[in-house]
Amino acid sequence: GAVVSQHPSWVICKSGTSVKIECRSLDFQATTMFWYRQFPKQSLMLMATSNEGSKATYEQGVEKDKFLINHASLTLSTLTVTSAHPEDSSFYICSARGTTSSYEQYFGPGTRLTVT
Amino acid sequence: EDQVTQSPEALRLQEGESSSLNCSYTVSGLRGLFWYRQDPGKGPEFLFTLYSAGEEKEKERLKATLTKKESFLHITAPKPEDSATYLCAVQYSGGSNYKLTFGKGTLLTVNP
Repeated sequence: GAVVSQHPSWVICKSGTSVKIECRSLDFQATTMFWYRQFPKQSLMLMATSNEGSKATYEQGVEKDKFLINHASLTLSTLTVTSAHPEDSSFYICSARGTTSSYEQYFGPGTRLTVT
Repeated sequence: EDQVTQSPEALRLQEGESSSLNCSYTVSGLRGLFWYRQDPGKGPEFLFTLYSAGEEKEKERLKATLTKKESFLHITAPKPEDSATYLCAVQYSGGSNYKLTFGKGTLLTVNP
């Protein structure tokens, strides 16, 4: 149980284009989903938190207009990187927390974004 | 000042050589301390949650313990497949919306 998927697993795009990454909870309903980015040999940095049907809460320093997050249902959240630039190249990982009072977060396999 | 500090940054063991990883935290109002395992190019895999001092949890060769200031992840008779980065994270009452605060991780390499 507690499986989270991400799609695509990797993507290459040209500078100035937008890319959408999907995060799905496959066997549970996710009250809250989180988006992280991870640079090589570094730990996870939280970008934003989203609750189903509500606007995402962004961490300090994360551009809301650049990283658009939509949490339209209890099993799906999307991250859209708009007008991507090479510095946006990174490993993006989502996680999800169930609808119970559990504190555990379960992570997806990650999406490798390369902007050329 | 880092709220979650993991040590050592890297650890190299021989197969069968037991050891411990440390995670110290400075937050107050701990809600939970979490251990994850992360393989290269993959998302973190959930291992344990510890909620209160004195709590212990075990899974195969891993055992996690918690005190009021730190947690240990004990690895008994490790195998090469235990090689990974082990991440520690905390949730605390001052943090918002179930946010996890991560340490920088310990890279464990187990040689055959």
